[in-house]
Amino acid sequence: EVQLVESGGGLVKPGGSLRLSCAASGFTSSSYTMNWVRQAPGKGLEWVSSITSSDTYIYYADSVKGRFTISRDNAKNSLYLQMNSLRAEDTAVYYCAREHRGLGRFDYWGQGTLVTVSS
Amino acid sequence: QTVVTQEPSLTVSPGGTVTLTCASSTGAVTSGYYPNWFQQKPGQAPRSLIYSTDNRHSWTPARFSGSLLGGKAALTLSGVQPEDEAEYYCLLNYGGAQLVFGGGTQLTVL
Repeated sequence: EVQLVESGGGLVKPGGSLRLSCAASGFTSSSYTMNWVRQAPGKGLEWVSSITSSDTYIYYADSVKGRFTISRDNAKNSLYLQMNSLRAEDTAVYYCAREHRGLGRFDYWGQGTLVTVSS
Repeated sequence: QTVVTQEPSLTVSPGGTVTLTCASSTGAVTSGYYPNWFQQKPGQAPRSLIYSTDNRHSWTPARFSGSLLGGKAALTLSGVQPEDEAEYYCLLNYGGAQLVFGGGTQLTVL
C-alpha cells in the first residue's frame, strides 16, 4: 500500500527555519517525481517544489525560490523540504504528493503538516 | 504570471450533471498541459481524480470524466451524489518547471 506521511511542521518565528519530512512506503520514491504543495488557511492549493526521478531536475515556485530547498534520502525513502527565511505568508498545511511525470499523473498525497509562521 | 481560472462556485441537484472548467491565461489548454483534477473535502487532504486530461484512477468513480472543452480542461460529473459536494482543483503543467493550480471550484449539491 502506498503511503506518504509528512512531519516536521510547527510554530516558527518570522525569519526562522524548519525542515519538513515526507516518509514514503509501498514504493521507491526515487523512481517518481515528488512534489510539495501547500495550502494557506482557507485558501487554495499552491505548488511549491518538485524533484524529478533520480534527482535529475529540481523546480521551485517563484514565491519560495532561494529560500526553500527540496531534497531526498533514497536510503530512507524520504523527501524533505528545508525552509529558511520563513515569512508569515508561508503559513500553510504542506502536503507531499507523488507524480509519475512521464504520464502527467499525480496520484498519492500525504495527510499534510501545518507550518505556522508567527511572532 | 500564469493564472489558471476555475468557476468559484457551482450548484447542482442530486442526480444531475455539472461541468467544471479550467482555463489558462496563456491560451488554450491542450493535452500537453497534462491537466489533473483533485477533490478536497473539509479537513482532508486532496484526492486525485483525473490525470492527463481524461484518465481516471482506479479509485475514481465512473461518474467523473475529464476532457478538453472549448480551449479549457473540463471535469464533468454525471449523476451527482451528495458525497460529491467538495472543492475541486485543476492543475496544469507548464513544461515541468512550473505547475499551477486553479483557484478551485466549490461544488454544492442541493
